[in-house]
Amino acid sequence: AQSVAQPEDQVNVAEGNPLTVKCTYSVSGNPYLFWYVQYPNRGLQFLLKYITGDNLVKGSYGFEAEFNKSQTSFHLKKPSALVSDSALYFCPERQRNNNAGNMLTFGGGTRLMVKP
Amino acid sequence: NAGVTQTPKFQVLKTGQSMTLQCAQDMNHNSMYWYRQDPGMGLRLIYYSASEGTTDKGEVPNGYNVSRLNKREFSLRLESAAPSQTSVYFCASSHRGKTQYFGPGTRLTVL
Repeated sequence: AQSVAQPEDQVNVAEGNPLTVKCTYSVSGNPYLFWYVQYPNRGLQFLLKYITGDNLVKGSYGFEAEFNKSQTSFHLKKPSALVSDSALYFCPERQRNNNAGNMLTFGGGTRLMVKP
Repeated sequence: NAGVTQTPKFQVLKTGQSMTLQCAQDMNHNSMYWYRQDPGMGLRLIYYSASEGTTDKGEVPNGYNVSRLNKREFSLRLESAAPSQTSVYFCASSHRGKTQYFGPGTRLTVL
């Protein structure tokens, strides 16, 4: 079984500063970890995922995430935030389903606000 | 390659009316999903289809029906709409249950 948590409802950061959106997990076995972003009035967009391999995963729009086994974390990061990065970010929980493969459960997400 | 498309983008219904939300994907994906998103909440799975010809209930299936018309298309039907079904509806697809790709959503208001 796998569960994830996003401990922050909202993150505020100034434009140009580095940003981090946190996700922690607990799993028995190998984790499958994802990040999605939802821009205002839009559908969810896939950013990146970790299944196996390099702990640093690079994704879309300059985002990356580091899989840290010792801290059981998969935080989303970007070196320099843009106002346009303001959005809702989801680290969904994955469950295996015999019929449909990976089933994702999306919590409330973390709202990122980047201020000019 | 349009990805996942949904129609309509917006819809207003009166209580008791019926409608069908359409979803199509051109990525040759096996699995398709319907979610709803309410204000301040995450997405909740309504129904999913692991493959053509199969459908299964998700977390909140009451008041909805689905049809997997073919590999490309997965529709969601509200037989008798209720105000509690006011929400934004998202369709998604994936290849054999891997990464899910989402459509732009349908914003539904039931008066």
